[in-house]
Amino acid sequence: SQTIHQWPATLVQPVGSPLSLECTVEGTSNPNLYWYRQAAGRGLQLLFYSVGIGQISSEVPQNLSASRPQDRQFILSSKKLLLSDSGFYLCAWTGRGQETQYFGPGTRLLVL
Amino acid sequence: AQSVTQLGSHVSVSEGALVLLRCNYSSSVPPYLFWYVQYPNQGLQLLLKYTSAATLVKGINGFEAEFKKSETSFHLTKPSAHMSDAAEYFCAVSDGGSGTYKYIFGTGTRLKVLA
Repeated sequence: SQTIHQWPATLVQPVGSPLSLECTVEGTSNPNLYWYRQAAGRGLQLLFYSVGIGQISSEVPQNLSASRPQDRQFILSSKKLLLSDSGFYLCAWTGRGQETQYFGPGTRLLVL
Repeated sequence: AQSVTQLGSHVSVSEGALVLLRCNYSSSVPPYLFWYVQYPNQGLQLLLKYTSAATLVKGINGFEAEFKKSETSFHLTKPSAHMSDAAEYFCAVSDGGSGTYKYIFGTGTRLKVLA
């Protein structure tokens, strides 16, 4: 069966520090991968998606970047965090040609 | 462009009462529609989905939703609320046409179940 992992689960970082969040999927090959941010009191905002290794599409101009160095690994990064980067970050995947997204457990990021 | 509107950011029902969470969508192509549930500090769990088959869709935990094209709606219902249903619920739309299956989510409805 397929599983999706995210780490860390919780992160507290100072403003201006770098960020690296990791998402990995097991039990499937060549998935589509997605990063979302969920801010307090708001819905989920799609940040990036990827249909293959090294293929990244950005949905919203921002302080963040994404990379996909391996087929089942998706990384969200920042060189310098802003207060507004605080939120709950969710990774999701779909099987190739499949319409349903499956979500990871999320990472809670607090920037102080 | 696609969009999703969830009416009511907070809904309260008594235990045993009908649950009705509203979702209206806008899409220029036949949509795929989804309902997800989120418990505190957890990821999203799929409740049910509509992908152009039967218009009445049954999901997990006794939930169901009906796709009404004429009303551009996909409301979520459950005949009898249980305390464990207290959570946040998200409606989402995906066109699927490009193969990327990107979702647009509504802003969510927080369901409170009163004893």
